[in-house]
Amino acid sequence: AQSVTQLGSHVSVSEGALVLLRCNYSSSVPPYLFWYVQYPNQGLQLLLKYTSAATLVKGINGFEAEFKKSETSFHLTKPSAHMSDAAEYFCAVRRRNYQLIWGAGTKLIIKP
Amino acid sequence: NAGVTQTPKFQVLKTGQSMTLQCAQDMNHEYMSWYRQDPGMGLRLIHYSVGAGITDQGEVPNGYNVSRSTTEDFPLRLLSAAPSQTSVYFCASSAGQGFGYTFGSGTRLTVV
Repeated sequence: AQSVTQLGSHVSVSEGALVLLRCNYSSSVPPYLFWYVQYPNQGLQLLLKYTSAATLVKGINGFEAEFKKSETSFHLTKPSAHMSDAAEYFCAVRRRNYQLIWGAGTKLIIKP
Repeated sequence: NAGVTQTPKFQVLKTGQSMTLQCAQDMNHEYMSWYRQDPGMGLRLIHYSVGAGITDQGEVPNGYNVSRSTTEDFPLRLLSAAPSQTSVYFCASSAGQGFGYTFGSGTRLTVV
C-alpha cells in the first residue's frame, strides 16, 4: 500500500537558517511526488512536483526538493528561511487512480 | 482565471440538516476531488471524479454524495449533517496525473 510519512509535526528554525522538511514515501508505481504549502485559513498551494524528470526539483519561493529513490525520500529544503515561510507543508504521492495520498503535514515555525 | 471557486466560505448547520457545498472550476480540468481537513489528520479524500458523469468514493465517503453533470461543477451534498462532519472542506481539480491539484479556498463547516 502506498503511504507518505512526514517526520515532525512541527519544525522550528531561525530566520536565515536552513529549512529541511522530511518526507518519505512508499509506492508500488513510479512515483509522482508533490509538496504543497498552506498558509493560515487558506487553501493549499502547489510548491513543486517530481514527475520522473530531474531528481532535483525547484519550486516557488526558493524551495527545492530532491528525489532519492534508494532512500524513498523527497525532502524539501530552502537555504535561508524567511518569516513569510511560516506555514504548514504537506507532502503527497500519486495513487494509481490519480488521486493523492497525503502526509499529515509539518508546521514550519520561523523564529526571529 | 478564477481557478477553483468554493461556496459558501462558512456554514453552521444543525444536526440532521442537509446542504450542498458548491465547487466550480474554469480550467477545463477532468479530475476533481473533495477533501476534508481535520487537525492532525492531514487531508482525507471524500469523493473524486475523473470526468463528467464519473464519480467514485474516497477514504471517507459515508454521509456524503456527489455528482458530476458538467466538467466545471462538482457539488458535495451532506445528506443529514452530524457533529462528526464539522471540518474544513476543500475542493481541488487537476489536468491529469502528472499535474498538481489546484485547490479552492475551502468551506469551514460547523455542525451543532
